[in-house]
Amino acid sequence: GDSVTQMEGPVTLSEEAFLTINCTYTATGYPSLFWYVQYPGEGLQLLLKATKADDKGSNKGFEATYRKETTSFHLEKGSVQVSDSAVYFCALFLSNFGNEKLTFGTGTRLTIIP
Amino acid sequence: GAGVSQTPSNKVTEKGKYVELRCDPISGHTALYWYRQSLGQGPEFLIYFQGTGAADDSGLPNDRFFAVRPEGSVSTLKIQRTERGDSAVYLCASRSGRSAYNEQFFGPGTRLTVL
Repeated sequence: GDSVTQMEGPVTLSEEAFLTINCTYTATGYPSLFWYVQYPGEGLQLLLKATKADDKGSNKGFEATYRKETTSFHLEKGSVQVSDSAVYFCALFLSNFGNEKLTFGTGTRLTIIP
Repeated sequence: GAGVSQTPSNKVTEKGKYVELRCDPISGHTALYWYRQSLGQGPEFLIYFQGTGAADDSGLPNDRFFAVRPEGSVSTLKIQRTERGDSAVYLCASRSGRSAYNEQFFGPGTRLTVL
């Protein structure tokens, strides 16, 4: 079945450090790929997305590129801030003949230290 | 505008009891989803509604779980004979109907604890 594997946490970085959170996927079709973020005490929010191979999603300084050849969608940010502390989820979406759902990874908890 | 709302925010029940969890989607959103998030895990798909009908219920774990959306807006997730393993955060999401690839907007979730 479809699945998402993402880097295990927790990840702790100093402010202004470079961030990479790895995400790879297995899918039976051609999915759209997403990163969702869950800030402390808040609900899941879409961070960025990419709908086809080689697309780059970006938002709030975060970027991820849909790599079909490596089935990956790694999340990167050049200089993290304390406010980026949250849990990050990689997800894929497939819509086939009326069946549609997001499949999530297990999440990566990120803590940024001032 | 108002986002997806879920009630109650917390529910504590005893093993064997029946519970109902409610989801109010964003007004006008025709698609509605339920997910379950266990501690330390990502959300797992339960069921998807398009309008009033359940288009995909393949994620419901067993026949103790049932969901309805009688008027195509509010949805209720119903769990019979609750078990301790049902303890989790139940998330609802909705999206506008124009494209299946539109963003799903999530509610804050209902934390269910079965004692």
